[in-house]
Amino acid sequence: RKEVEQDPGPFNVPEGATVAFNCTYSNSASQSFFWYRQDCRKEPKLLMSVYSSGNEDGRFTAQLNRASQYISLLIRDSKLSDSATYLCVVNGAGGFKTIFGAGTRLFVKA
Amino acid sequence: EAGVTQFPSHSVIEKGQTVTLRCDPISGHDNLYWYRRVMGKEIKFLLHFVKESKQDESGMPNNRFLAERTGGTYSTLKVQPAELEDSGVYFCASSLRTEGSQYFGAGTRLSVL
Repeated sequence: RKEVEQDPGPFNVPEGATVAFNCTYSNSASQSFFWYRQDCRKEPKLLMSVYSSGNEDGRFTAQLNRASQYISLLIRDSKLSDSATYLCVVNGAGGFKTIFGAGTRLFVKA
Repeated sequence: EAGVTQFPSHSVIEKGQTVTLRCDPISGHDNLYWYRRVMGKEIKFLLHFVKESKQDESGMPNNRFLAERTGGTYSTLKVQPAELEDSGVYFCASSLRTEGSQYFGAGTRLSVL
């Protein structure tokens, strides 16, 4: 089993749709959690940190469920510019050895 | 403020040669990380510096890879001798806190022929 697993993609959605990505992690001692987006042949860019209380940034909402070891990302009112690969990232116990999920590809169509 | 910068952006070398990659973190970031992405695979952790000390190097593939961060500022990653399977994109990232958000450089695309 992989340490960080994400929904297999790709997700193909029309503009304006709501789309949700899921991620599970295996190390219960993990300390910090993030969503990054990566455009083709570019570096990962931080989208948002994820907290147990949940956090929202505009059209993006992230949630962490420590009991289920589950992280989610919700994108509302999808835009063409949201098309990218979304990476779930987990910092291991003590903050060492950051683990990346394989990513979920999102295509938003006009 | 300058972000994380990496040099070179591309490197093409022959098997058996040596290559040195450089990373300049965001000023003031004590934490520096190296990652690698080989084609079709997820980004893999290589190692983590806190200032000049190696905090975790469990992801380094083998002893052909040597990372240094003298003085706790920029870091270098040397591959000697390079093998075909070392091809990929090498990313560097830095963060203010050990468990904080990491900011990535544009990466070095290494091709070993």
